[in-house]
Amino acid sequence: AQSVAQPEDQVNVAEGNPLTVKCTYSVSGNPYLFWYVQYPNRGLQFLLKYITGDNLVKGSYGFEAEFNKSQTSFHLKKPSALVSDSALYFCAVSLGGGYNKLIFGAGTRLAVHP
Amino acid sequence: ETGVTQSPTHLIKTRGQQVTLRCSSQSGHNTVSWYQQALGQGPQFIFQYYREEENGRGNFPPRFSGLQFPNYSSELNVNALELDDSALYLCASSPNGGPRMDYGYTFGSGTRLTVV
Repeated sequence: AQSVAQPEDQVNVAEGNPLTVKCTYSVSGNPYLFWYVQYPNRGLQFLLKYITGDNLVKGSYGFEAEFNKSQTSFHLKKPSALVSDSALYFCAVSLGGGYNKLIFGAGTRLAVHP
Repeated sequence: ETGVTQSPTHLIKTRGQQVTLRCSSQSGHNTVSWYQQALGQGPQFIFQYYREEENGRGNFPPRFSGLQFPNYSSELNVNALELDDSALYLCASSPNGGPRMDYGYTFGSGTRLTVV
């Protein structure tokens, strides 16, 4: 069965420090991988995606993620965290092509402390 | 370009009632997907509509049904509401049947449904 795991319910980091939010996946075929962010009482905002090509992808707001096929991981990273980055982060996978649902992880709450 | 608009933003219903949630997709998008996000969980795929036809469904019972209209707006209908139906319902749109290569789907802000 296809699945996405975000092993940490919450990640705490001090402002200015690097942050990592972990994601691993289990799907058959070649996945499309996405990171979305959700602020309170809001929908999901796209951060970045991996479809094919360079394993290191750069996205919005200074975030980046590295696709590791052998470890089936797609960890989200940022070199220097901001308090405004505090939010709920979701990793998602799709098999691409025509109709294709997104399968989401349970989410990781990022708390950046001043 | 306009984004995805959902209405209402909040709704309280009684167990056993029926509810209709609405979604206006982003301009130029002919594909609409619905997701249920229970408290503390990631969104779960309900179904997807492409050019007015359902072309994929998740593990939800038949009392969850939908429609897509010629203007590509969509409705999610839930009959015989149960307490566990309380959740944030998200609508997502994209062009041409699947996630866009550049940003996947565009999500609305959701409808918070509370069943009492």
